[in-house]
Amino acid sequence: AQSVSQHNHHVILSEAASLELGCNYSYGGTVNLFWYVQYPGQHLQLLLKYFSGDPLVKGIKGFEAEFIKSKFSFNLRKPSVQWSDTAEYFCAVSDNFGNEKLTFGTGTRLTIIP
Amino acid sequence: ETGVTQTPRHLVMGMTNKKSLKCEQHLGHNAMYWYKQSAKKPLELMFVYNFKEQTENNSVPSRFSPECPNSSHLFLHLHTLQPEDSALYLCASSQDPGQGTYEQYFGPGTRLTVT
Repeated sequence: AQSVSQHNHHVILSEAASLELGCNYSYGGTVNLFWYVQYPGQHLQLLLKYFSGDPLVKGIKGFEAEFIKSKFSFNLRKPSVQWSDTAEYFCAVSDNFGNEKLTFGTGTRLTIIP
Repeated sequence: ETGVTQTPRHLVMGMTNKKSLKCEQHLGHNAMYWYKQSAKKPLELMFVYNFKEQTENNSVPSRFSPECPNSSHLFLHLHTLQPEDSALYLCASSQDPGQGTYEQYFGPGTRLTVT
């Protein structure tokens, strides 16, 4: 069975700081990887996704993530965060064998201090 | 603005009540999902419907009963719930459930409190 670990439960940063949120998954086969974001009072929405090809994926709002297969990781990064990035971030994985199941991590709450 | 709507947004019910959650997607998708989001836990997949057929029941207790009359509508019927069932219930839809590559679009959720 797949599992997703997000080790940072709550991250607090000042504006303009750089961000890296960790995501590790356990699954030996081909995977599809996602980062979702949930802004306060809003619905869960897709930030970026990786299916194949270039392991460095760029998403919306200046976010990017790098798939490192050897480390089973898909860390989320942003060079300079803004107050509006305050949200909860979820990493998710699905396998590539016609399985529509998304397995989510527990989420990381990001608080940006102005 | 989301293409997936859920009603009601908030629901308080007693353990002996029967209520239903409704989800509607306006995206022309073929698959719909119910998730449970509890504090400090990963989102838990409950049910998956693919072209109106249930393809996944993730060991969900029978007090939760899904219904999918067509590809655009999904219901979750609730009866004799327990306080530990209090959570945010999220509905999602996706275009091609067989590929695992299409992103899921989520609704705003129904905040359920069982008293």
